[in-house]
Amino acid sequence: KQEVTQIPAALSVPEGENLVLNCSFTDSAIYNLQWFRQDPGKGLTSLLLIQSSQREQTSGRLNASLDKSSGRSTLYIAASQPGDSATYLCAVPKRRSQGNLIFGKGTKLSVKP
Amino acid sequence: EAGVTQFPSHSVIEKGQTVTLRCDPISGHDNLYWYRRVMGKEIKFLLHFVKESKQDESGMPNNRFLAERTGGTYSTLKVQPAELEDSGVYFCASSPPDSLSYGYTFGSGTRLTVV
Repeated sequence: KQEVTQIPAALSVPEGENLVLNCSFTDSAIYNLQWFRQDPGKGLTSLLLIQSSQREQTSGRLNASLDKSSGRSTLYIAASQPGDSATYLCAVPKRRSQGNLIFGKGTKLSVKP
Repeated sequence: EAGVTQFPSHSVIEKGQTVTLRCDPISGHDNLYWYRRVMGKEIKFLLHFVKESKQDESGMPNNRFLAERTGGTYSTLKVQPAELEDSGVYFCASSPPDSLSYGYTFGSGTRLTVV
């Protein structure tokens, strides 16, 4: 059974710091991994989608890496800003049911000015 | 393009009442999904439509929940009768046919509170 874990559950950093959010999954036979951001009272915004054949994806100050063999993904945020404050979630599709995403509980990030 | 639209954004109902949530997917997205997040837990899958057909409804908690997608466009999720444990945020998502390549687009969710 696939399980997704995100560490830490919460993180508070001063503005300008580079930071890493972690996501681990128990079944390495994944199709892809998607990182989302959720602002309070809002929906999920897709940040990056990494296919199983890829090692990393970049979008602006965000870089996501994927190591299938070790069951890990990291989301690197460079030069953090207060506007980056949100909950970050990672998710992988359940095997043989691509529409069924398995989510982690998320990391709540707070960037202090 | 318009995103995934959900309404209402909030709903407060009494235990035993009926509530219907609506989701309008991105135009042309055959795949439509419902998810739910209850307090303190992960977001969990409820069901998946491909056009008007239910592809996977393994996550539906019980028969008080009824999802429909008439005509393969918008979808509704009805809870009848609502119980206290049904409180949470209900998300809808949609994707094109090749969801594995393109990922999923989520709506803003409906926050349901059953009192």
